[in-house]
Amino acid sequence: SQQGEEDPQALSIQEGENATMNCSYKTSINNLQWYRQNSGRGLVHLILIRSNEREKHSGRLRVTLDTSKKSSSLLITASRAADTASYFCASSGNTGKLIFGQGTTLQVKP
Amino acid sequence: DAGVIQSPRHEVTEMGQEVTLRCKPISGHDYLFWYRQTMMRGLELLIYFNNNVPIDDSGMPEDRFSAKMPNASFSTLKIQPSEPRDSAVYFCASSLYGVDQPQHFGDGTRLSIL
Repeated sequence: SQQGEEDPQALSIQEGENATMNCSYKTSINNLQWYRQNSGRGLVHLILIRSNEREKHSGRLRVTLDTSKKSSSLLITASRAADTASYFCASSGNTGKLIFGQGTTLQVKP
Repeated sequence: DAGVIQSPRHEVTEMGQEVTLRCKPISGHDYLFWYRQTMMRGLELLIYFNNNVPIDDSGMPEDRFSAKMPNASFSTLKIQPSEPRDSAVYFCASSLYGVDQPQHFGDGTRLSIL
């Protein structure tokens, strides 16, 4: 069974707005990571948050982790057209391997 | 840093043919992963290596799939014989620090089996 589920499946916003994506997972984790995938390209690692952290920032990215709810969120502030991509969460399950969610497709309109 | 390099980028072949996908990981990365991405099943881990040794191949769909890593700078994923349901994008990724640490992905091989 899949470790991560993401919500929403698709999101369309205007440039300058904020985008929030959510991820839920099923078992205890060591860390949770977020990746971006542009069309026709491989995944690019964005940020890692450890199980004992609650919030982490990297530039315009803010990630939160709630281990009691087994969920994480990715916030992209002041979005740009170049942020258009699919975003995936990946949780390190009890096997240690990364399990990827189905992803959220973000479209940022100029 | 050249990143993870995969070849070919696109492969179209007929059912029953042998397909070989190639990957060069980032130099110094001890972990190498093969994934398959489809619309229906998302991104699935097929197999991963540590120091050229296969550690977990539980994601390999069936015996038609095999993977090797003869040295630290090269890995192959082979499908023989290929079937239409093998059509997908296959990604190779490498990691410096561990199986649950950040991974660097290649741009994938888009495989179409007719």
